[in-house]
Amino acid sequence: EPEVTQTPSHQVTQMGQEVILRCVPISNHLYFYWYRQILGQKVEFLVSFYNNEISEKSEIFDDQFSVERPDGSNFTLKIRSTKLEDSAMYFCASSFLEKAFFGQGTRLTVV
Amino acid sequence: GENVEQHPSTLSVQEGDSAVIKCTYSDSASNYFPWYKQELGKRPQLIIDIRSNVGEKKDQRIAVTLNKTAKHFSLHITETQPEDSAVYFCAASRDFGNEKLTFGTGTRLTIIP
Repeated sequence: EPEVTQTPSHQVTQMGQEVILRCVPISNHLYFYWYRQILGQKVEFLVSFYNNEISEKSEIFDDQFSVERPDGSNFTLKIRSTKLEDSAMYFCASSFLEKAFFGQGTRLTVV
Repeated sequence: GENVEQHPSTLSVQEGDSAVIKCTYSDSASNYFPWYKQELGKRPQLIIDIRSNVGEKKDQRIAVTLNKTAKHFSLHITETQPEDSAVYFCAASRDFGNEKLTFGTGTRLTIIP
């Protein structure tokens, strides 16, 4: 069964550094998303991406965040200057005809 | 924007008994309601979903009901087993899921052997 895959599984970075989280969505899916989950809390929407552009973003997704689909398979989330409060599990998801499937997540720890 | 409330936050049931988790939503334009199961440290996994034009859907031991008028939907798990222990999240979306999911706060379900 096809899966959304994310790399790396765990990233530790110093405050102020840039990080790029990578995702390979399911190949025939058209909609791509990033969500985050702070430890013990609910999953929160960050951004959705369709037809090579952002279709919606949340208040969390400020100027420090950007997304890109650099080629036909990868979907990336960049955080330009990480803050301590960016520490969370970041999930990529993709959907086609309504069902959204999540990747296994990248645990980002900012120290 | 959409707001999804979920209750209870924790639920313990004896193995073999039923579990019910309830959610309410605020946006009448929401028309797609999935449920995700998340085991510790793992990805949320879609276990069942329902569209707004359907009142109930069942898949083996799992069922979901939707009351559009009252804006609430529920997950029912019958004949619970230890492997049902996990955190369950409800969610709501417009455009039949091709828009963002707004998640509830989660229910930690523990099945007592």
